[in-house]
Amino acid sequence: DAMVIQNPRYQVTQFGKPVTLSCSQTLNHNVMYWYQQKSSQAPKLLFHYYDKDFNNEADTPDNFQSRRPNTSFCFLDIRSPGLGDAAMYLCATSRDWGSYEQYFGPGTRLTVT
Amino acid sequence: GENVEQHPSTLSVQEGDSAVIKCTYSDSASNYFPWYKQELGKRPQLIIDIRSNVGEKKDQRIAVTLNKTAKHFSLHITETQPEDSAVYFCAASSGSARQLTFGSGTQLTVLP
Repeated sequence: DAMVIQNPRYQVTQFGKPVTLSCSQTLNHNVMYWYQQKSSQAPKLLFHYYDKDFNNEADTPDNFQSRRPNTSFCFLDIRSPGLGDAAMYLCATSRDWGSYEQYFGPGTRLTVT
Repeated sequence: GENVEQHPSTLSVQEGDSAVIKCTYSDSASNYFPWYKQELGKRPQLIIDIRSNVGEKKDQRIAVTLNKTAKHFSLHITETQPEDSAVYFCAASSGSARQLTFGSGTQLTVLP
């Protein structure tokens, strides 16, 4: 049973053309996270929400924005993708902050041409 | 903030041998230490975790040990199999932290 769902699984966009990635969850978790992962590097946290309380990391580029319209859904908007934004984007959820397991979605592989 | 260092970055073992991956952390307030396995092109999946009130936890062929005094924790995989080949990430978090701090990952290759 899918618990964290990401769409699309693969996304190709042109340089500078806005793109939106989506994430939904059936776990009813309070916290949702967006990560960027390149090659076999560790996931890099971009944003996280506790319910609708939004938090972005200090080094997340302004080109990245996020929306969480309700508990189940979260979106990542890349306003003007550059070649360096090509990566795997992972959504994760957690029951609460801190010492709780994070459940990852399958990821969206973004290619920028 | 928390800093997690992970070693080695790559590890090759013969099938049936044991593999050990080590992580150190900096924040003495950290109390939750998960390990994630990520196969190529797939999502990270939790394989085992440990909290600071215990020193060791085991699940079949996988075990994790925690030394709070030295601020390090280790993943032990016994009787390795080719399907254990993946990237393994350690992480640390405290109750007040809003996020996990990941290690840099270890590429484990189990040679048949």
